[in-house]
Amino acid sequence: DAKTTQPPSMDCAEGRAANLPCNHSTISGNEYVYWYRQIHSQGPQYIIHGLKNNETNEMASLIITEDRKSSTLILPHATLRDTAVYYCIVRGMDSNYQLIWGAGTKLIIKP
Amino acid sequence: NAGVMQNPRHLVRRRGQEARLRCSPMKGHSHVYWYRQLPEEGLKFMVYLQKENIIDESGMPKERFSAEFPKEGPSILRIQQVVRGDSAAYFCASSPRGLYSTDTQYFGPGTRLTVL
Repeated sequence: DAKTTQPPSMDCAEGRAANLPCNHSTISGNEYVYWYRQIHSQGPQYIIHGLKNNETNEMASLIITEDRKSSTLILPHATLRDTAVYYCIVRGMDSNYQLIWGAGTKLIIKP
Repeated sequence: NAGVMQNPRHLVRRRGQEARLRCSPMKGHSHVYWYRQLPEEGLKFMVYLQKENIIDESGMPKERFSAEFPKEGPSILRIQQVVRGDSAAYFCASSPRGLYSTDTQYFGPGTRLTVL
């Protein structure tokens, strides 16, 4: 079973910041938080990952709470092409090469 | 730098036929993972391979399914005697390292298998 919980769906207006929450209350100290997205019928696309510090790249920012029990993916200026299912995945360094996928959040960007 | 490549993108088979799905990892990646996605569901891990070795096939059905990653050439996921329940999207991912690393897995576009 996935170690994360996410809201099933969210809407966001085009041009605004999209904030996608993820709860991972049972995360252990050596486990990372990964985010992928899947645009309809395409392969999953890697977005960002982090351990405990906030991370930013050209696609998004990842904010991880101090207790690491939750995180938020931020798409700073959402466009229609960001409409996708977003998956938050927890994985460690031992045997967790098996990415365990939950249901994700269906993000719909509205014009 | 080419990404993960999969072919064919779409495959139609009749019940009882064989399906062969191919995956070429990203350049420099020697670890390959296969996942299956049923309609309206998340991806499910099937098998993890390194060159010439199967590391973990715990997610793969015991019968009819096999996978290989030869020294030369792409990784192959083979499904013998396909049934309608095998209809799904099959995704391949690759990474530079696998076990005991958190190297990012990068995914291909998938092969959509339809069994008539």
